[in-house]
Order: sequence, then structure tokens, then C-alpha cells
Amino acid sequence: DVKVTQSSRYLVKRTGEKVFLECVQDMDHENMFWYRQDPGLGLRLIYFSYDVKMKEKGDIPEGYSVSREKKERFSLILESASTNQTSMYLCASRGGEVRAFFGQGTRLTVV
Amino acid sequence: QKEVEQNSGPLSVPEGAIASLNCTYSDRGSQSFFWYRQYSGKSPELIMSIYSNGDKEDGRFTAQLNKASQYVSLLIRDSQPSDSATYLCAVTGGYQKVTFGIGTKLQVIP
Repeated sequence: DVKVTQSSRYLVKRTGEKVFLECVQDMDHENMFWYRQDPGLGLRLIYFSYDVKMKEKGDIPEGYSVSREKKERFSLILESASTNQTSMYLCASRGGEVRAFFGQGTRLTVV
Repeated sequence: QKEVEQNSGPLSVPEGAIASLNCTYSDRGSQSFFWYRQYSGKSPELIMSIYSNGDKEDGRFTAQLNKASQYVSLLIRDSQPSDSATYLCAVTGGYQKVTFGIGTKLQVIP
């Protein structure tokens, strides 16, 4: 089975902190994605990557950056966390079989 | 216009009835179409994928695609209380970008 693992299930950070969310997949997938999910807004794409060191902005990239130094790992970085970034963050990966596999999600609270 | 549009619901159906979920998309170049189910507090899980016009059946689920109308639907026959969840429509476009709709909350009433 494909496994997509996010580093934390729950995270509490202070306003202004730099926050790293890590995602690792074990299926050699080319494509990886970061979404955030908020009530009433659904899943919104923050950034995605289609290859190592390649990244593309999604629909809401402001306040975020990403890093993909190795194929299996895709990191989401909140440069200076703010309370409006409190959300559920979901990582997904996708390979030749077309469907996307999701991690278990990280519920981030910024206080 | 949103790239992928769904009615947020809730859609309430009695147990044993057919639930019909709908989705429209704006990018005519979209290639792949998916339905995910998401239970509260859980990650989305794939239940159906469809790539060409027409119907695709898998057990109690049927996905329908009409590229000319830019329309995707999911039918759930013999709905069960365990089908109560949010159903997300997803569409793949350029650079393999996967875009999701807001999701439709389905409630199956015993």
C-alpha cells in the first residue's frame, strides 16, 4: 500500500514562528501537493511539485513556501505563522496511476 | 467562476434510496476526474475515477462524465447510513494539478 506520512497529527505554534510541515511518500511519486482544508471552503491547493526542486503555486500560496530537495519529501513552510493559518493541512502524492493518496493530515493551531 | 463547483448540501436521502451528487468544472482541458469520500476528521479516500465520457460502475457506485457539458456526477444506489460523509469532486489539469470542489455533505437517514 502507498503510504503518505505527515510528520505531526496536531501542532500548536505561536504567532510569528517559522513552522515546518513535513510530508514523506514511499511510492516514488513524481507529484506532491499541499492543501489546506477549512469549513465551508473545502480543500484549497497551496503549492504542488511535479519533480525534485520544481514547484508551482496553487490557489492560495501567500504566506507559504515549499521545499522539495528529495523526491520522497515535500515540506511546507509557514515563514511567519499567523492566526489565519490555523487549519487542517493535507499532503497528497500522485504517480503514474493517476489517483492521489493523502496523508493523515496535520491540524495546526496558531495562537 | 470556481474551477470545480459542487453544492455543499447537506443532501439528505432515506436509507435504501439513490443519492445523486453533481459537479461541474471550468477547464475544458481536464483529463481525469475523481470522487473522494471524506468522513469527519479523516483524510479523503478515493472511491471512483473516470476518464472518458459515459458511465462507470463499481458496486453501488456509478460515476458519470459528460465532457461536452463539463459535468461529472456520482450515483450511490441503496444508500446506507455508513455512506454519510462529505463527497469531494476532483479534477486533474495542467502540470497534473489536482483541484477539488468544496464537497457535498451527504446524510443518509435510517
